Amino acid sequence: EPEVTQTPSHQVTQMGQEVILRCVPISNHLYFYWYRQILGQKVEFLVSFYNNEISEKSEIFDDQFSVERPDGSNFTLKIRSTKLEDSAMYFCASSERDRHYEQYFGPGTRLTVT
Amino acid sequence: GENVEQHPSTLSVQEGDSAVIKCTYSDSASNYFPWYKQELGKRPQLIIDIRSNVGEKKDQRIAVTLNKTAKHFSLHITETQPEDSAVYFCAASGYGQNFVFGPGTRLSVLP
Repeated sequence: EPEVTQTPSHQVTQMGQEVILRCVPISNHLYFYWYRQILGQKVEFLVSFYNNEISEKSEIFDDQFSVERPDGSNFTLKIRSTKLEDSAMYFCASSERDRHYEQYFGPGTRLTVT
Repeated sequence: GENVEQHPSTLSVQEGDSAVIKCTYSDSASNYFPWYKQELGKRPQLIIDIRSNVGEKKDQRIAVTLNKTAKHFSLHITETQPEDSAVYFCAASGYGQNFVFGPGTRLSVLP
């Protein structure tokens, strides 16, 4: 069964550095999402992406965040200048065009900002 | 915006017993309610979902009920097994985007 994949599994970076988290959604899916989960807390929506543009974003998704689909398979989340409070698990998810309610999550990237 | 509450925060049951987790939501426009299971250190996995035009849905030992008037929905797991131990998250959304998750319920199934 196809799955969403994410790399790296763990990223350690220093405060102020830029990081790029990568995701490969399920191949026939057209809607893509990023979520974050601070340790021990609930999953929080960051952004949704469809047809090469952001369709919705939360208040968490401020100017330091950006998303991109650089080619036909990858979907990336960039954090321009990381802060300590960006430390969290970041999950990518995707859903099909006509069944875009059902979102399938990747394994996550644990981001640690020191 | 949407606010989802979830109870209880922790739940322990004996193997073979039933477990019920309840969620309430605030936005009457929400029309899709998925449940995710997250084992320690792993990704959230969709286990069942329900749309607003349905009152109940069942998949083997798992069922979900929805009361749109009261704005609450519940997850029912029957004949619980140790492998059901995990954190369960409910969520609510409109038009499949911007899921708002509940705070989670840690279910422990005791052998």
